[in-house]
Amino acid sequence: DSGVTQTPKHLITATGQRVTLRCSPRSGDLSVYWYQQSLDQGLQFLIQYYNGEERAKGNILERFSAQQFPDLHSELNLSSLELGDSALYFCASSVLSSVHNEQFFGPGTRLTVL
Amino acid sequence: DQQVKQNSPSLSVQEGRISILNCDYTNSMFDYFLWYKKYPAEGPTFLISISSIKDKNEDGRFTVFLNKSAKHLSLHIVPSQPGDSAVYFCAARLSGNTPLVFGKGTRLSVIA
Repeated sequence: DSGVTQTPKHLITATGQRVTLRCSPRSGDLSVYWYQQSLDQGLQFLIQYYNGEERAKGNILERFSAQQFPDLHSELNLSSLELGDSALYFCASSVLSSVHNEQFFGPGTRLTVL
Repeated sequence: DQQVKQNSPSLSVQEGRISILNCDYTNSMFDYFLWYKKYPAEGPTFLISISSIKDKNEDGRFTVFLNKSAKHLSLHIVPSQPGDSAVYFCAARLSGNTPLVFGKGTRLSVIA
């Protein structure tokens, strides 16, 4: 158990809909990352937050947005969903001050868009 | 443009033998490399890492080698065990608290 929690575990929805994925980082971790893993692909970085502020952005679509709240949990909002958005979405957290800065991953949310 | 490449999608090894997983990268500014292991229906789990100033790091049965001139790293697992069967991801990052760049993974099967 990495200490990172994600809800829901599975999500099935229809094209055009909007969903929210939730992540709670490990206790004490200020940095949260979101990654997307599509079929046969590696993990693609979407966005990073640090202590409530956006820190880095990857190949995140404009239809996607995220935020980190004062209690450090984060939400990833996906709107106008398309079939191609079906993927595993992982959240990870890390300690900023750590030299090694390993990221610890949650179990993921499997999104299926029908 | 894939900056981290794992060219072998799968690898099959007999129990007790050595497993060698390879990874190549293109960005010479990467300063830290990590290996993650992933079982089905779980998130990736950190396995071992290496700084760009080192050429080897060992942790029990796992050793990572880094060849900076070749922009290549490898993960050695000795001896391999059936429980090691999983997908292994190579990842790299630039300095600081930056996002990881992942390869597409290699599926390791250890046969008893």
